[in-house]
Amino acid sequence: EVQLVESGGDLVQPGGSLKLSCAASGFSFSGSVIHWVRQASGNGLEWVGRIRSKADTYATAYGASVEGRFTISRDDSKNTAYLQMNSLKTEDTAVYYCAKEGSSLDYWGQGALVTVSS
Amino acid sequence: QSALTQPASVSGSPGQSITISCTGTSSDVGGYNYVSWYQQHPGKAPKLMIYEVTKRPSGVPDRFSASKSGNTASLTVSGLQAEDEADYYCASYAGSNKDVFGTGTKVTVL
Repeated sequence: EVQLVESGGDLVQPGGSLKLSCAASGFSFSGSVIHWVRQASGNGLEWVGRIRSKADTYATAYGASVEGRFTISRDDSKNTAYLQMNSLKTEDTAVYYCAKEGSSLDYWGQGALVTVSS
Repeated sequence: QSALTQPASVSGSPGQSITISCTGTSSDVGGYNYVSWYQQHPGKAPKLMIYEVTKRPSGVPDRFSASKSGNTASLTVSGLQAEDEADYYCASYAGSNKDVFGTGTKVTVL
């Protein structure tokens, strides 16, 4: 069974940093592409970014609102992807989902809540 | 990369059909056959309903169908059922290894 489990969500002050983890199981993680998507309360989905596999040189791409502040990485030996978030702003407050790319985003985690507030 | 445009809400009675539009540009929806649709119930993670414009993942009822014309994609739900009441989002590849989501549509079953 495919599972994605996010962790690391927390309350952080503006300007601070936080790192989310996405632990995967039930599929070939090392060959997969992993996305991060966020959703502010009462708002729509926003694409945050993706990381490709080793075969594609772990290429990353980011949405305009997070580029330069967020970094996606992965540790294939731990079947885990990460989202490092720096220079956090109040508008980054959201539930952050990781998702596996197969036939589009075919499996999603349950989400991790990040709250940016003083 | 601006969000794709969807109607804020669509409603229909049980058994009826509804269609949700998703309008982008030639740089996203119109430029690639990588449009997908997601269903999201309150407090739940999104669920993939359609991928590559028209394809249904295993387990998704054939009441759900989709198409694309130019820069606009559409999702049709036929034989509307109570459990179809949810938020629906389109998404598209937007070039340069990036994706973009739609603004979302709340579907209400009357």
